[in-house]
This record gives sequence, structure tokens and C-alpha cells, in this order.
Amino acid sequence: DARVTQTPRHKVTEMGQEVTMRCQPILGHNTVFWYRQTMMQGLELLAYFRNRAPLDDSGMPKDRFSAEMPDATLATLKIQPSEPRDSAVYFCASGWAGRGAFFGQGTRLTVV
Amino acid sequence: ILNVEQSPQSLHVQEGDSTNFTCSFPSSNFYALHWYRWETAKSPEALFVMTLNGDEKKKGRISATLNTKEGYSYLYIKGSQPEDSATYLCAFGNTGGFKTIFGAGTRLFVKA
Repeated sequence: DARVTQTPRHKVTEMGQEVTMRCQPILGHNTVFWYRQTMMQGLELLAYFRNRAPLDDSGMPKDRFSAEMPDATLATLKIQPSEPRDSAVYFCASGWAGRGAFFGQGTRLTVV
Repeated sequence: ILNVEQSPQSLHVQEGDSTNFTCSFPSSNFYALHWYRWETAKSPEALFVMTLNGDEKKKGRISATLNTKEGYSYLYIKGSQPEDSATYLCAFGNTGGFKTIFGAGTRLFVKA
């Protein structure tokens, strides 16, 4: 049963620390998305990769966030330094371009 | 700016009621429209993907229609059940970069 796997599921960290979230997309999918869910903003697109190339990261605060796909089986979202306002659930999703996405279970990040 | 609007924001219905909600999206550069069902503490689950004007999709008691010329889609639930309580998200995929942009969702509460 193919699924998108995200780790860790939960992360509590102190302000100023680096946070790395990982995603294993479904094998064969050519697009990977990172979304952030907050109560205020709903589901926001942070970054979007197609065939491992970053196509759009305009939704991501550039000064502290970075997203990479070192290979087809791994996508990472890094926050350095983290701030309390970064507390949210971060979802990774993979799919075929324009054809929707399958979501991971999310990483619940709490920055204290 | 790609904007996807969903209405209403939330909806309270009685068990057995039929209901519908709306997703509005840009009518230009249309590629696909997706509906997702998102239960609390779970990840969004794909319901439908529609690509052609006039498309209608059905899954059990849930159905959806698409009008790409005027930029809207309706989601219908016939005979709502408490287990239908969830947030229903629509997402627009455009031809420009094949991004998937989500609306804020309609939160449905079905009372037994």
C-alpha cells in the first residue's frame, strides 16, 4: 500500500533551534509539495518540486526556510532558526503534475 | 494571484439532510480541480479530480460538478451522516506550472 511517509510525526523544539522535516514520496510520483496548516491560514503551499527541481517556493519565508530533494526518495524542509510562529502542522504530498496529491500524515511542530 | 475560494466556511446540518458547497477558482489556465476530505487529526484524502468542463463525479452519497468556463465546482452530499463531518477542501491545478492551490475549506458538522 503506497503512501507518503513523513518523519518525525511530532517535534517540540526551542526557539532558535534548527528543525528538519523529512518526507518519502510515493515511488514514481514526479511532484512533491510541502504545505503548512495553521488555524489562521488554512493550508498554505510552501514549496513545490517537479522531477526533483524546485519550481516554486514563493510561499516560503526565504530567510529561515529551505526545501530540498537530494534524491527521488527524500524531500526535506528545514527551518533555521525556528520561531514560535512556525508552530503548525507541515504536510508533504506527492503526485503527478496537476493531478492532485497524496498526503503524508504530517509533522506537528511546536516551537517554544 | 491564484485564488481559490470556498463557501460557506462552515455548515451545520442534521443527519439525513442533503447539502452542497461551492469552490470558485480562476477560469483561465485551468488544468484540474480536486476535492479532498480532511478529518481532524488525519491527512487530506482525495475524493475527486475533474478536468473537463461539465464533468460530474460520484462516490457513494457524494458527488461533484465542474464548470470551468465560469470557474466553479459544487460538492453535494446526499443524506448527510455524522461520519461525513470533516473539512472539504478543493484545490485548483493550473497549466502554468501545475501547482495545486488549496482553498480554505468548508467545515461540515453533521448532528445525529
